[in-house]
Amino acid sequence: KNQVEQSPQSLIILEGKNCTLQCNYTVSPFSNLRWYKQDTGRGPVSLTIMTFSENTKSNGRYTATLDADTKQSSLHITASQLSDSASYICVVTMFSGGYNKLIFGAGTRLAVHP
Amino acid sequence: NAGVTQTPKFQVLKTGQSMTLQCAQDMNHNSMYWYRQDPGMGLRLIYYSASEGTTDKGEVPNGYNVSRLNKREFSLRLESAAPSQTSVYFCASSAYPSDIDNSPLHFGNGTRLTVT
Repeated sequence: KNQVEQSPQSLIILEGKNCTLQCNYTVSPFSNLRWYKQDTGRGPVSLTIMTFSENTKSNGRYTATLDADTKQSSLHITASQLSDSASYICVVTMFSGGYNKLIFGAGTRLAVHP
Repeated sequence: NAGVTQTPKFQVLKTGQSMTLQCAQDMNHNSMYWYRQDPGMGLRLIYYSASEGTTDKGEVPNGYNVSRLNKREFSLRLESAAPSQTSVYFCASSAYPSDIDNSPLHFGNGTRLTVT
């Protein structure tokens, strides 16, 4: 079954600290992997998109890594800020029958405390 | 820039009532989508429109209909609401269809629907 599993489900860190969120997937064949940030009460906003050949991509203090061999991705947040409090969603694109299908993880809820 | 605008933000329906969720985008995108988000689950695709004049079923289309009114607008209709349709509904758009392109999805801020 094609699945996207994120861990942890929730995380609390102190402002200024770093953290890493994990995404494991069983999707095959793989096309690309995306990370989205979703603030409470808002829609998801794209952070990064990585194709099969990319193993790292940064967007400011957010750095995503991808290991297509082990089917794992991580999102590293550096020097966290209160505004980083949100859910982070991993989305894996499966290439099937000539078309891409987006498979969404359930998200990791991050709370940054002062 | 407004991006993707959804109305209403909140709605409470009784079982059997109907309603239409509205979505409009101002980014001149070709493709538009409707997703639902339920607690503990990833977003699931209800319907999508790869381009003006076309619509296709997604993963969970039962109980819903859609209309691509023009390039900007894509509406979702619940003909006879059921409690299982209680959810947060997100409209999204992308420059090109996500099933053939890697362009990012741009989401609206959602409609929170409760069916009693």
